[in-house]
Amino acid sequence: SAVISQKPSRDICQRGTSLTIQCQVDSQVTMMFWYRQQPGQSLTLIATANQGSEATYESGFVIDKFPISRPNLTFSTLTVSNMSPEDSSIYLCSARTGETQYFGPGTRLLVL
Amino acid sequence: AQSVTQLDSHVSVSEGTPVLLRCNYSSSYSPSLFWYVQHPNKGLQLLLKYTSAATLVKGINGFEAEFKKSETSFHLTKPSAHMSDAAEYFCVVSEGGGGNKLTFGTGTQLKVEL
Repeated sequence: SAVISQKPSRDICQRGTSLTIQCQVDSQVTMMFWYRQQPGQSLTLIATANQGSEATYESGFVIDKFPISRPNLTFSTLTVSNMSPEDSSIYLCSARTGETQYFGPGTRLLVL
Repeated sequence: AQSVTQLDSHVSVSEGTPVLLRCNYSSSYSPSLFWYVQHPNKGLQLLLKYTSAATLVKGINGFEAEFKKSETSFHLTKPSAHMSDAAEYFCVVSEGGGGNKLTFGTGTQLKVEL
């Protein structure tokens, strides 16, 4: 299994600003992912964070809006750039070990 | 392509009665299937997983699910509901054949009443 922590756990931000979310895994993992969960909805994959190369983004998500770093096998960051109220969501980090994905507790973001 | 359909957005049961949360899937390959639970203001916790071994899978907190290929279903059950089971439950499919992407269902909100 993998234990995942995220910082911050929640934040309230002003529109036009950026927020960087950190994700730490307690063991080395090959695959890390970032998801978004909009209010009352299911999870949507934003991107796969690749170690040593650019992240792989899903349709509808772009690097300029959601830049991702993955400097090593245990850590990743997601930045939500130039925020608007529509970015208010829970952002979850996930790591895969074997055939199972584990999730962090999420970062609850409110943009005013 | 893969997809998941959770047939009920809300389920309400009385404490001590059985729980049934329904899930149907579609996958081009032999899938892996998961149930995750999300308690209010908490992250996702893995309840159980099916990865082509036994079709009846037992998970944590007394939950189990049965993989039925002929019905393309993976329903979640528990013999006796407890108040602490009240949460959102997500059925998730991961496509086989080397695919890594998880596809989430829309979730089922389980309410447990006294």
